Amino acid sequence: GNSVTQMEGPVTLSEEAFLTINCTYTATGYPSLFWYVQYPGEGLQLLLKATKADDKGSNKGFEATYRKETTSFHLEKGSVQVSDSAVYFCALNNQGGKLIFGQGTELSVKP
Amino acid sequence: GAGVSQTPSNKVTEKGKYVELRCDPISGHTALYWYRQSLGQGPEFLIYFQGTGAADDSGLPNDRFFAVRPEGSVSTLKIQRTERGDSAVYLCASSSRGERLGADTQYFGPGTRLTVL
Repeated sequence: GNSVTQMEGPVTLSEEAFLTINCTYTATGYPSLFWYVQYPGEGLQLLLKATKADDKGSNKGFEATYRKETTSFHLEKGSVQVSDSAVYFCALNNQGGKLIFGQGTELSVKP
Repeated sequence: GAGVSQTPSNKVTEKGKYVELRCDPISGHTALYWYRQSLGQGPEFLIYFQGTGAADDSGLPNDRFFAVRPEGSVSTLKIQRTERGDSAVYLCASSSRGERLGADTQYFGPGTRLTVL
């Protein structure tokens, strides 16, 4: 079946540090891949997405590349800020309606 | 423009009671989704509507859960004979069908926090 696995949190970084949150997936065919973010007290919002292999999604300094050969979609940012503190969810949609989410990774950035 | 809205924001009920949760999608969005999020977990899919019909209800946990979207806009998630295990945040999302199936961005509402005592 379809599934998503994320690195466990919490992840604690200092401001301006480099961020990587690992995400791997299991799916048949050609799913679309997403990163959603949930800031404290707010709802889920799309951060970026990639709909085919080798595509790179990017937004707000975050990037993730759809790697079919390693079934991965790792989230990266070169220099995190305190305002990036949130819970990050990796998700896939395998040509159907539903999103399948990972368990989430909490990021805490300290000044 | 207005995003997805959900009412109530919080609902506390007693075990065995019936509850209804409402979702107002973004105007013009044809697809509507319900998810359930337990503490410390990612959202889990419940049901998906395309227009008025349920295109996929495979995530509904049992027959106590039911959802409707009679006019293709507002949707109501109904839970009968609530149990303590139903306590969670219930999320609604909507999307428009423009890209290929599965590539659409789903826009989420703020959720309804259901607590069953």
